[in-house]
Amino acid sequence: DGGITQSPKYLFRKEGQNVTLSCEQNLNHDAMYWYRQDPGQGLRLIYYSQIVNDFQKGDIAEGYSVSREKKESFPLTVTSAQKNPTAFYLCASSISYSAYGYTFGSGTRLTVV
Amino acid sequence: GQQLNQSPQSMFIQEGEDVSMNCTSSSIFNTWLWYKQDPGEGPVLLIALYKAGELTSNGRLTAQFGITRKDSFLNISASIPSDVGIYFCAGSQGGSEKLVFGKGTKLTVNP
Repeated sequence: DGGITQSPKYLFRKEGQNVTLSCEQNLNHDAMYWYRQDPGQGLRLIYYSQIVNDFQKGDIAEGYSVSREKKESFPLTVTSAQKNPTAFYLCASSISYSAYGYTFGSGTRLTVV
Repeated sequence: GQQLNQSPQSMFIQEGEDVSMNCTSSSIFNTWLWYKQDPGEGPVLLIALYKAGELTSNGRLTAQFGITRKDSFLNISASIPSDVGIYFCAGSQGGSEKLVFGKGTKLTVNP
C-alpha cells in the first residue's frame, strides 16, 4: 500500500544536539512538506519542496534544514540553533496540484531535554 | 500570508449531540478541504469540496462550500466518542499553490 512514513514516532535529544527526522513516501508525489504543531498553534509550515533538489522556506524555517535528493525522501534536521525544538512534527506530500489535498504521515514527537 | 479563521477553537459536547464548525477567509478559494487529526496522529482527509454551493456528505459528516467561496462549514451529526480530535479546514486557490490551513477546532465528546 502506498503511504508516507515518518520515523521514529518518539525522539529524545539533549539540548545542543542536531537531530534528523525521517520522511519517506511511495505515493509518487512531487511535493513534500514539513509542519510543526504546538498546542493551540495549528500547523506551521517549516519547509516545502515541489521538485527534487529544490526546496523553499516556510513560515518558521529558522533553526531547521532540509534536503531533497530523492523524490521519495525529505528529511528534516532540527539544529541546535532552534530555540524551542520540542514539538510534534508532521510530514506531508501531494501531487503538484494542491486541490487534491495533502497526505500526512503519523508524526514524530521530538522532546529536547 | 493568507489566513483561514476557524471557529470555534474548542468544543465540549455530550455524546449524541450535533456539532457545527466553520472556516472563513478574506480571500476566495477554489477548493475547501476538511481534515481530522486523532490524538498523536497525522491529519486525515475527510471531505473535499470543489464547487461553490456544493454540499457533500461522508457518513455522519456534512460539509458545504460557501456561495461566496470565502467560507466553508462542517457538521457532525449524532456525535460519538471516536469523533474526538482536532478538525482542520484547508483552502486551495488552485494550481501548485500551497494549502492554507485553519488553526483547528478541538472536539471533546463526553460519553
